[in-house]
Amino acid sequence: GEEVAQTPKHLVRGEGQKAKLYCAPIKGHSYVFWYQQVLKNEFKFLISFQNENVFDETGMPKERFSAKCLPNSPCSLEIQATKLEDSAVYFCASSLLRGLIYEQYFGPGTRLTVT
Amino acid sequence: AQSVTQPDIHITVSEGASLELRCNYSYGATPYLFWYVQSPGQGLQLLLKYFSGDTLVQGIKGFEAEFKRSQSSFNLRKPSVHWSDAAEYFCAVGPAPGSGAGSYQLTFGKGTKLSVIP
Repeated sequence: GEEVAQTPKHLVRGEGQKAKLYCAPIKGHSYVFWYQQVLKNEFKFLISFQNENVFDETGMPKERFSAKCLPNSPCSLEIQATKLEDSAVYFCASSLLRGLIYEQYFGPGTRLTVT
Repeated sequence: AQSVTQPDIHITVSEGASLELRCNYSYGATPYLFWYVQSPGQGLQLLLKYFSGDTLVQGIKGFEAEFKRSQSSFNLRKPSVHWSDAAEYFCAVGPAPGSGAGSYQLTFGKGTKLSVIP
């Protein structure tokens, strides 16, 4: 498709429960990024993929967060044992690299509320 | 480490007035610069980008931005604001491919909220 799709739009989890978010990148885009936007408008980079391979995971809290981008499946971001501080909007973006040019196209986000 | 500063948290302008949103960046390598707009409850829409060449770049919705390397700035402008421009605006910086600065993740400023008085 021509837009980045994210599901679900909203997700509510009790503290300690698992949360799984999905992202379908734009067809033909080889890079996928996950960002976390917290209440103070701060965007935090979590992880990026080049096709199905992890490209950069320096932003991932590895003890509870994991992500995958498998062929012919939506990408996913999973949080085990959610904490209150995980409440945020999670954005997925996709991009392709054409020569020295890239643009990231963002999905509408998934709002995660941990209670 | 890279950073982006948007000094104005909230700006209010009258419809039809001109607009300038400020953005300053700190980046060790060659920066790629972007402006995004976020309407309430929505994702980010790319307004414009600067990679190289002409330092004045045109974007969608009548926006433009000027890259000033000497001032480490990339300010967004619009000559006449419309009520529909009310939104949150984010400036972002990313690495130039091949610069050795890692992957292409963006570093964002904290945003400037634009309110428009009819």
